[in-house]
Amino acid sequence: QVQLVQSGAAVRPPGASVKVSCMASGYTFRNYVIAWVRQAPGQGLEWMGSISPYNDNKYFAQKFQGRLTLTTDTSTSTVYMELTSLRSDDTALYLCARDVDTDVSDYWGQGTLVTVSA
Amino acid sequence: DIQLTQSPSSLSASVGDRVTITCRSSQAISTYLSWYQQKPGKAPKLLISSASGLQSGAPSRFSASGSGTHFTLTIASLQPEDLATYSCQQNYNRPRTFGQGTKVEIK
Repeated sequence: QVQLVQSGAAVRPPGASVKVSCMASGYTFRNYVIAWVRQAPGQGLEWMGSISPYNDNKYFAQKFQGRLTLTTDTSTSTVYMELTSLRSDDTALYLCARDVDTDVSDYWGQGTLVTVSA
Repeated sequence: DIQLTQSPSSLSASVGDRVTITCRSSQAISTYLSWYQQKPGKAPKLLISSASGLQSGAPSRFSASGSGTHFTLTIASLQPEDLATYSCQQNYNRPRTFGQGTKVEIK
């Protein structure tokens, strides 16, 4: 069965960076784009960016340009999301998701809570 | 960016009630709209794609319709396990955007 398993919760001080992993299993990793979506406490979902493990094409929401890095490791079927220069308003649940169609996600990771606090 | 506005923001209904949630887009998006269900403490689950396509495994009491700028999600007979937040999302163009969510509670 398709599974996306994310790394554990992280706490970072303002200005630091965080790297979250998303390990895929149960399907051919290279065939599906992986998206990253975040959800601040009590807020709606916000798309951050997407990466294709097939050709390494990447797409970023404008607000994260320059702060967001997406990478893949095809040997372990893992996608990494790194966000730098963290601010308090980056405190959120970060989710990876598999895109079954362009920008439509059918399977999601369990989420990684990132807390930015001094 | 395309703005999606859901109404209501929350609702409380009884088991067996018919529930309708609306999603309006700031511009026409054809049928490039999906609906997600997010239960408390869980990741979102894709319910509907292409405005009206029920995902495999989703209960048949869920249905959706719409095109252009006006979309609806209907739960024909609300069940206790439908307690969740429902969000619409457009994939007409990037960036994909989501509605703010509708929280459904059971009376």
